[in-house]
Amino acid sequence: DAGVIQSPRHEVTEMGQEVTLRCKPISGHNSLFWYRQTMMRGLELLIYFNNNVPIDDSGMPEDRFSAKMPNASFSTLKIQPSEPRDSAVYFCASSLQRTGDTGELFFGEGSRLTVL
Amino acid sequence: QKEVEQDPGPLSVPEGAIVSLNCTYSNSAFQYFMWYRQYSRKGPELLMYTYSSGNKEDGRFTAQVDKSSKYISLFIRDSQPSDSATYLCAVHNDMRFGAGTRLTVKP
Repeated sequence: DAGVIQSPRHEVTEMGQEVTLRCKPISGHNSLFWYRQTMMRGLELLIYFNNNVPIDDSGMPEDRFSAKMPNASFSTLKIQPSEPRDSAVYFCASSLQRTGDTGELFFGEGSRLTVL
Repeated sequence: QKEVEQDPGPLSVPEGAIVSLNCTYSNSAFQYFMWYRQYSRKGPELLMYTYSSGNKEDGRFTAQVDKSSKYISLFIRDSQPSDSATYLCAVHNDMRFGAGTRLTVKP
């Protein structure tokens, strides 16, 4: 079975440019999460969706960040305009959330973003 | 205060040593406590979890939860170089992680 698929794996861009990260969750999973990982701040939850609806976006740093999930098999995280401090590895994860279940997260390989 | 606090290390031990990794959490309502392992340039993967209090053992790994002190631990016995990774604790259903402890096991 295919796991969580993220693209691009690597992105180098200049400050001020728009960045779009993409994620395809595992088929049948009903929840999707976007995380950002840096050495300084660790793995931070940015936003998560349940049944394609954003449930908690309190981790989104500022208005420059936006996330969408138009259907159960696709999500995007957009940064516009990008800044050097946005440089990080961005992970997408999906899970099957059910009452009484652990809700194990399955992570993609990550998208490594460098903003110059 | 963050929901989950974890000492980021790094931690370096010789092969065969017993490793103890620890986290504290703030919300007493949490029920599931997870440990994820992340190898370099990979996404985290679930290593093991415990529900409520107590211990859970899986081979060389033991996860322990003390709800009275809001303390969770992961012990690795007979550590191996292949255990070198970053270990992250997490509480569900909050979906937030500790900072992660980078472990290196030297041959």
